[in-house]
Amino acid sequence: GENVEQHPSTLSVQEGDSAVIKCTYSDSASNYFPWYKQELGKGPQLIIDIRSNVGEKKDQRIAVTLNKTAKHFSLHITETQPEDSAVYFCAAHLFNDMRFGAGTRLTVKP
Amino acid sequence: EAGVAQSPRYKIIEKRQSVAFWCNPISGHATLYWYQQILGQGPKLLIQFQNNGVVDDSQLPKDRFSAERLKGVDSTLKIQPAKLEDSAVYLCASSQSGGGSYEQYFGPGTRLTVT
Repeated sequence: GENVEQHPSTLSVQEGDSAVIKCTYSDSASNYFPWYKQELGKGPQLIIDIRSNVGEKKDQRIAVTLNKTAKHFSLHITETQPEDSAVYFCAAHLFNDMRFGAGTRLTVKP
Repeated sequence: EAGVAQSPRYKIIEKRQSVAFWCNPISGHATLYWYQQILGQGPKLLIQFQNNGVVDDSQLPKDRFSAERLKGVDSTLKIQPAKLEDSAVYLCASSQSGGGSYEQYFGPGTRLTVT
C-alpha cells in the first residue's frame, strides 16, 4: 500500500514569514494529493489539493507543488498569520485508499 | 451546506465496555469513511462505505469493531469490548462518488477515552 512521510513534525515561524511543509509518497500510481488543516478539537479541514496531472496550484496565500518524478509534494504558506497556527496533514490517494502523513504542527509567532 | 455531523463529541468509558458513534454525512455524498486518529498521528482509515455497501474494511479490527450504514445515509461505528489502546478521536468523512471526485470532508470527531 501507499506510505506517506511528512516533514518537519514541528515548524515555528514569525508572523509574515513563509512556511513550507514537505511530503513524500511511495506509490507512483497515487493520483490525488490533498492538504488538511486541523485546529484543536476540530476535524481536518481541506485547504488545498492537487491532482497528478498538475504541477502547481495556488489559492491566495497557500500553494501546493507536485514533483511526480521524485514523488514528493509540498505546501507553501506565504505571509503567515497567527491564525495559520494548526496541525497540517498531507495525504496521498491511491485507488480507494487515502493515506495520511503524521502531521506538522505549525506555530506562527506574532 | 451543512457539514458532516457526528455525535457524541466526547465519550469516556471503562475498558471492556461497549460504545457507539454516529455519523451523518453531507447530503448527497454516497461515500462515507470512518477514521481513527491516535494522538500525534494522522487519521487511519477503518472502513469505507459506498452507499450501504462496504468498499474497504481491511484495517478494521473486526473482533471488536463493527460498522453499518443500513440506508446508505447515516452510519454507526461500534466498539465492543473496548481496550485502552482504542483511546483516540474517531473521525467520519464523506465524499461524492464518481466523476473522479476524491475530496473528503471531515466531521468534528468523537474523542474516546478508555480508562
